[in-house]
Amino acid sequence: DAGVTQSPTHLIKTRGQHVTLRCSPISGHKSVSWYQQVLGQGPQFIFQYYEKEERGRGNFPDRFSARQFPNYSSELNVNALLLGDSALYLCASSLGLGGTTLSNQPQHFGDGTRLSIL
Amino acid sequence: QQPVQSPQAVILREGEDAVINCSSSKALYSVHWYRQKHGEAPVFLMILLKGGEQKGHEKISASFNEKKQQSSLYLTASQLSYSGTYFCGTERGNTGNQFYFGTGTSLTVIP
Repeated sequence: DAGVTQSPTHLIKTRGQHVTLRCSPISGHKSVSWYQQVLGQGPQFIFQYYEKEERGRGNFPDRFSARQFPNYSSELNVNALLLGDSALYLCASSLGLGGTTLSNQPQHFGDGTRLSIL
Repeated sequence: QQPVQSPQAVILREGEDAVINCSSSKALYSVHWYRQKHGEAPVFLMILLKGGEQKGHEKISASFNEKKQQSSLYLTASQLSYSGTYFCGTERGNTGNQFYFGTGTSLTVIP
């Protein structure tokens, strides 16, 4: 079975632009989460989506938004890009059994999108 | 709010054992463990659930002390492939779900 797939793998943008990152979860997984990982640090939680609704939001500005589609794929949008947005953006999917909780199910990560802001 | 891990870094020789600790200032209902190799995505290792249920990896064990809000990951007879950064993680949130990864432990296994 295919794992979590993310596109694009690399992206270069300039300050002020916007970007859309895409994620396809493992087949059968209904929950998708987004993380930002800056070099040398652990992943920071941005959003969780379950059944097309936002179920969790981390401490990120409103420039960050996301959505989940009926096929459970997801997009992360970032507006008005800043230099500090340069990072690896990871998508993770989980089954979503028992509802929205992330606590009792493994998260399976895609390879990420490396975003560089010039 | 981020769980704190110790040690920050450890170097082992092949075959040696290691323990990685994860401590939280808030109540833990479950603890996840992930390993991330350089330039790769995190890979799920194990979940420890409140009440003792454990899901995960055959060759790696872990403990979860709910009262102390701590978890430990035990790597025995380490192999070169164990090298990477280990993260614990837990779900938390006053409104909705938020998942926090720990501060990370860099593990290097040398021949």
